[in-house]
Amino acid sequence: QKEVEQNSGPLSVPEGAIASLNCTYSDRVSQSFFWYRQYSGKSPELIMSIYSNGDKEDGRFTAQLNKASQYVSLLIRDSQPSDSATYLCAAGGAGNNRKLIWGLGTSLAVNP
Amino acid sequence: KAGVTQTPRYLIKTRGQQVTLSCSPISGHRSVSWYQQTPGQGLQFLFEYFSETQRNKGNFPGRFSGRQFSNSRSEMNVSTLELGDSALYLCASSQKTRSSADTQYFGPGTRLTVL
Repeated sequence: QKEVEQNSGPLSVPEGAIASLNCTYSDRVSQSFFWYRQYSGKSPELIMSIYSNGDKEDGRFTAQLNKASQYVSLLIRDSQPSDSATYLCAAGGAGNNRKLIWGLGTSLAVNP
Repeated sequence: KAGVTQTPRYLIKTRGQQVTLSCSPISGHRSVSWYQQTPGQGLQFLFEYFSETQRNKGNFPGRFSGRQFSNSRSEMNVSTLELGDSALYLCASSQKTRSSADTQYFGPGTRLTVL
C-alpha cells in the first residue's frame, strides 16, 4: 500500500518563527511532490511542487526533497497568523502510477 | 485564466436520493480528478478522467460514478445516498503534459449533506 505520512499536529509556532513541516512517502518510484495549504472549510491551494533533490524556494516557502531518504519538507519563514491552516503533502509516480497519494495533513497554528 | 468551477456549492439531500455534481476545469486542462474529503479521513480519491475516459479509480462502491464530456467538463453521480456520503467533494484539474504526475488545481468544492 503506497502511503504518504505526515504528523497530524497541531504544530504551534510563534509569529515570525520558522515552521517546519515534514512528509515521508513509501513508494520509491515517486517523482512528483506537492505541498498544498487548506484553510478550514476551503479547498486545497497549491503552494509548491518539487521534482528534483534539493531545495526549491518561493518567497517565504522552501520545499526540500531527499529521494534517498524518501522525505519531503516545507519550511515557512517569518510565519504569519494567516499561515494557520492544514498543510497537505502529495506524491505522484510516473506512467501508470501518476495518481497522487495524499497525506492526511499537518495542522499549523501561528500564534501572534 | 478562470479557475476550476464546481456546481452546486452546497447541497442537502435525504437518504436514498441521488445527486449529480458538476466540474468545469481550467481552460486547456484535459484531466479531471474527483476527491471526497471528510474530517479525519483526508482526501479520498474517487476517479480521474482524461479525454472522456476513466483512467484511474479509487476504492469506492459502484454507487459513485462519473463521466467526462468532450469539452473536458466532468460530472459525478452518487446514487442511493447514505448518511456517510456527507462530505466535501472536490474536483481538481490538470494539464496532463508531463510523464509524471501533474500539478492539480482544485475547485471550491461541493458540500453535500445527507439527512
